[in-house]
Amino acid sequence: DSGVTQTPKHLITATGQRVTLRCSPRSGDLSVYWYQQSLDQGLQFLIQYYNGEERAKGNILERFSAQQFPDLHSELNLSSLELGDSALYFCASTGSLATNEKLFFGSGTQLSVL
Amino acid sequence: GESVGLHLPTLSVQEGDNSIINCAYSNSASDYFIWYKQESGKGPQFIIDIRSNMDKRQGQRVTVLLNKTVKHLSLQIAATQPGDSAVYFCAEKSGGNKLTFGTGTQLKVEL
Repeated sequence: DSGVTQTPKHLITATGQRVTLRCSPRSGDLSVYWYQQSLDQGLQFLIQYYNGEERAKGNILERFSAQQFPDLHSELNLSSLELGDSALYFCASTGSLATNEKLFFGSGTQLSVL
Repeated sequence: GESVGLHLPTLSVQEGDNSIINCAYSNSASDYFIWYKQESGKGPQFIIDIRSNMDKRQGQRVTVLLNKTVKHLSLQIAATQPGDSAVYFCAEKSGGNKLTFGTGTQLKVEL
């Protein structure tokens, strides 16, 4: 168990809908990352937050947004969902911004858009 | 089954043999590298890391080798066990703090 908690584990929804994925980082970790893992793209970095502030952005669509709350949990919001958004979404956390800080990953949320 | 449905390179080894998984990275400015293991239905799990000022690091049954000249990373697993069956990813960090992952290698351990 990595200590990173993601909910829900599975989510099935329809095109055009909006969903929210939730992540609780490891106790004490200030930095949260979101990754998307799809069948044709592998693990793609979406966005990073550190202590409530956005720090880095990757291949995140404009239909997607995220935030990190004062209690350090994070939410990833996906709107106007398309079939191609079906993927595993992972959250990872780490304690600081130091280069050699390894990421600890949650078990992921499997999103299926029908 | 595979957790990533890409056409992944697959390495099949006999139980008890040593496994070597290779990774070519792209950014010569990368200064930190990690190997992750991902079992079906689970998130990536940290195995071992190495900084760019080193060329070898050993863990329990695993060794990572870094060749910066050719931008190549390898993971060696000694005495491979059935529980080692998974997809293995290398990842690199450069400048900022995001990890860039490779496409992964499927390791299959045959009894």
